[in-house]
Amino acid sequence: EVQMLESGGGLVQPGGSLRLSCEASEFTFSSYAMSWVRQAPGKGLEGVSGITDSGDDTYYTDSVKGRFTISRDNSKNILYLQMNSLRVEDTAVYYCAKRGSRSRGSNYYMDVWGEGTTVTVSS
Amino acid sequence: EIVLTQSPGTLSLSPGERATLSCRATQSLSSTYLAWYQQKPGQSPKLLIYGASSRATGIPDRFSGSGSGTDFTLTISRLEPEDFAVYYCQQYASAPDTFGQGTKLEIK
Repeated sequence: EVQMLESGGGLVQPGGSLRLSCEASEFTFSSYAMSWVRQAPGKGLEGVSGITDSGDDTYYTDSVKGRFTISRDNSKNILYLQMNSLRVEDTAVYYCAKRGSRSRGSNYYMDVWGEGTTVTVSS
Repeated sequence: EIVLTQSPGTLSLSPGERATLSCRATQSLSSTYLAWYQQKPGQSPKLLIYGASSRATGIPDRFSGSGSGTDFTLTISRLEPEDFAVYYCQQYASAPDTFGQGTKLEIK
């Protein structure tokens, strides 16, 4: 069964940093694009960042540009999200999601989601 | 950025009834790159529909999607108790992906 397990969440002060990890198993990780999606408490889903299968192309939502960096290690089957200069409004559950294809195209939907890791930014 | 607006915000229906959920985009989506997800409390989202009308693996045929351009619909033909949840549409035609604000389907 395809699985993703997120880790690295926690409580951090405004201006601090965290690195989230998403360990993937039971599929060929290097063949699929991956993404991070977040959900603030009681709110809807927000796409945060995405990366192609090889890691050569990335995108970010405007509110995290310059602060967050997505990366992947295909030798270890791990997706990362480095989050710097954290703000109170970054508080959310962060999900990693597997895409259905290597890059944007007809199968680029999010077909498998992890359980999420909680990030709380507060003083 | 493509904005998706879902309606209604909340839909109150009874088991056995038909549910119709709407998703409207601010720009025409090329090649119907639209998906629908279901999220139950305390759980991660689950893919229901992709390509506007294709059911994901294991999704019952009471769920169907339709639409093109800027207007899309998710229909649940006969509601089962386990279908009461929040539903989100998402466009993956252009970066950044965007989601609708969600429709909460609640038991009447």
